[in-house]
Amino acid sequence: QLQLQESGPGLVKPSETLSLTCTVSGGTISSSHYYWVWIRQPPGKALEWIGSIYYTGGTYYNPSLKSRVTISVDRSKNQFSLRLSAVTAADTAVYYCAAEWRDFGRPYGMDVWGHGTTVTVSS
Amino acid sequence: EIVLTQSPGTLSLSPGERATLSCRASQSISSSYLAWYQQKPGQAPRLLIYGASSRATGIPDRFSGSESGTDFTLTISRLEPEDFAVYYCQQYGSFPYTFGQGTKVEIK
Repeated sequence: QLQLQESGPGLVKPSETLSLTCTVSGGTISSSHYYWVWIRQPPGKALEWIGSIYYTGGTYYNPSLKSRVTISVDRSKNQFSLRLSAVTAADTAVYYCAAEWRDFGRPYGMDVWGHGTTVTVSS
Repeated sequence: EIVLTQSPGTLSLSPGERATLSCRASQSISSSYLAWYQQKPGQAPRLLIYGASSRATGIPDRFSGSESGTDFTLTISRLEPEDFAVYYCQQYGSFPYTFGQGTKVEIK
């Protein structure tokens, strides 16, 4: 059974770069059946899609964050990562990684989620 | 970008009652790629419905989804105590993916 686990610093200083990793277990990140996704949720607010990546490295980003976001895959470690540069207090949120199931290229929603990790931006 | 507007913001109901949640899209969603998620406090969201009306694995049949043009509905036929939570709709028909602002179903 596929499982995801986020890891990374819980506190980041303003203007620095937030870096998170999602470790995939119970399956392979090189599966053609999944897009790998980052989502965040500021305190008391709604979910926000950050971006998605396929195992081949193809990426899609939220235009509101595109200039600051990089999502990458490390097949050797069965992980994918998020980097968000020049952070401000507005980037304080719970960050989730998730897996979107696809079959013959058709998407079926994000059916596996990590537990989430809280990142606070503060000096 | 497709904007999703959920209503109402909060729904106050009693266990056993029927819940009807709405999600309106600002434009047509490709291939009915609309999902519903349930989120309880301190937990990650859980996929309930995909493709506007298909239940995800293990989801009870009291949850159902429907669509009419750009209007989507999540119905919980009889609320169980564990159903009180926040529900989000999400479109995945085109990038950027977007979520609605959520509907909280609370105990009356």
